[in-house]
Amino acid sequence: GNSVTQMEGPVTLSEEAFLTINCTYTATGYPSLFWYVQYPGEGLQLLLKATKADDKGSNKGFEATYRKETTSFHLEKGSVQVSDSAVYFCALRRSDSWGKLQFGAGTQVVVTP
Amino acid sequence: EPEVTQTPSHQVTQMGQEVILRCVPISNHLYFYWYRQILGQKVEFLVSFYNNEISEKSEIFDDQFSVERPDGSNFTLKIRSTKLEDSAMYFCASSELGRGSSYNEQFFGPGTRLTVL
Repeated sequence: GNSVTQMEGPVTLSEEAFLTINCTYTATGYPSLFWYVQYPGEGLQLLLKATKADDKGSNKGFEATYRKETTSFHLEKGSVQVSDSAVYFCALRRSDSWGKLQFGAGTQVVVTP
Repeated sequence: EPEVTQTPSHQVTQMGQEVILRCVPISNHLYFYWYRQILGQKVEFLVSFYNNEISEKSEIFDDQFSVERPDGSNFTLKIRSTKLEDSAMYFCASSELGRGSSYNEQFFGPGTRLTVL
């Protein structure tokens, strides 16, 4: 079946450090891939997405590239801020789905001043 | 900016009681979803809903669950007889487009925390 695996947290970083959160997936066909972010007390917000191999999604300084050969979609940011502290979820959606998102377990990121 | 809203933010109920969780999706959206997250576990898909019908559901969504769009604005999730293991955060989401579209971004509400005692 389809699944998403992402690195466990919490990940604690200093401001301006480089952030990587690993995400790998198992799926048949060509799923779309997403990163969602959840700030404290809020719902999940779409951070970025990629719908086909080699696509790069980017938003707010975050980037992730859809790598079909390694079935990965790692999230990166070159210089994090305290305001990036949140839980980050990797997710996939099969192309034949009505919209069902399958999420990874989430990775909490804590950025300290 | 339009947003998905959910009420209540926290619901406490006794085992065996019925609960209804309410959501107001974004007004021009046509596709609606429920997810849940048991504490410490993954966010799990429950059901998708389009054109007044369930379009997809997970194995979690058994006969104890039902969804309804009772009017033009609300989207509800009913649990008929709650169990302890139904305790979770329930998220509603909506999207403008659906199946086959790569642009159907789902917008999530802040969630309802359900506690079953």
